[in-house]
Amino acid sequence: DGGITQSPKYLFRKEGQNVTLSCEQNLNHDAMYWYRQDPGQGLRLIYYSQIVNDFQKGDIAEGYSVSREKKESFPLTVTSAQKNPTAFYLCASSTLAGVLVTQYFGPGTRLTVL
Amino acid sequence: KNEVEQSPQNLTAQEGEFITINCSYSVGISALHWLQQHPGGGIVSLFMLSSGKKKHGRLIATINIQEKHSSLHITASHPRDSAVYICAVGLKTSYDKVIFGPGTSLSVIP
Repeated sequence: DGGITQSPKYLFRKEGQNVTLSCEQNLNHDAMYWYRQDPGQGLRLIYYSQIVNDFQKGDIAEGYSVSREKKESFPLTVTSAQKNPTAFYLCASSTLAGVLVTQYFGPGTRLTVL
Repeated sequence: KNEVEQSPQNLTAQEGEFITINCSYSVGISALHWLQQHPGGGIVSLFMLSSGKKKHGRLIATINIQEKHSSLHITASHPRDSAVYICAVGLKTSYDKVIFGPGTSLSVIP
């Protein structure tokens, strides 16, 4: 079955530690995205990538980093510079970047900083 | 003022009721998306529309570009429809900017 997987489902981190969230897709999509969701707020874009070895900052990129070494994978690192990292993180992909395409979402990772 | 607003914020309905969720936006858009987020967190795209109306099963989405308003209707609601429904707009001035609404939490009671 084609789809997007994110791991782990739940993640706990101590303050001051970096942590990497995994996102893998087997849909052969060129574009991938990372969003952050906080209670009562809409999804906010952290980073997106239109093609391998290329990515752009979204609206709230500070304290985060990404890589896109393979088409299938788009890991997100939450660094210690992110002041309020506790949130629900969603990865998505689409055939190409743009507002006229449907994005397919992963199941999400809930990060809690202790 | 948020660029994308939804109403109501929370909605409780009895099984079988007709449900309407509203989305209004204040920016020029190329397309509007309706998404469904299940209690576990996963999100599914329901509709993408830029004009008129679309129907899929018991779900109907409409958009009025002049009034900058869209509605999502659910006919003969069922407890499995319980989820958060999210409206998102793709900006007309930007190739890849999508703004998400805060979501409407729907609970359908048997």
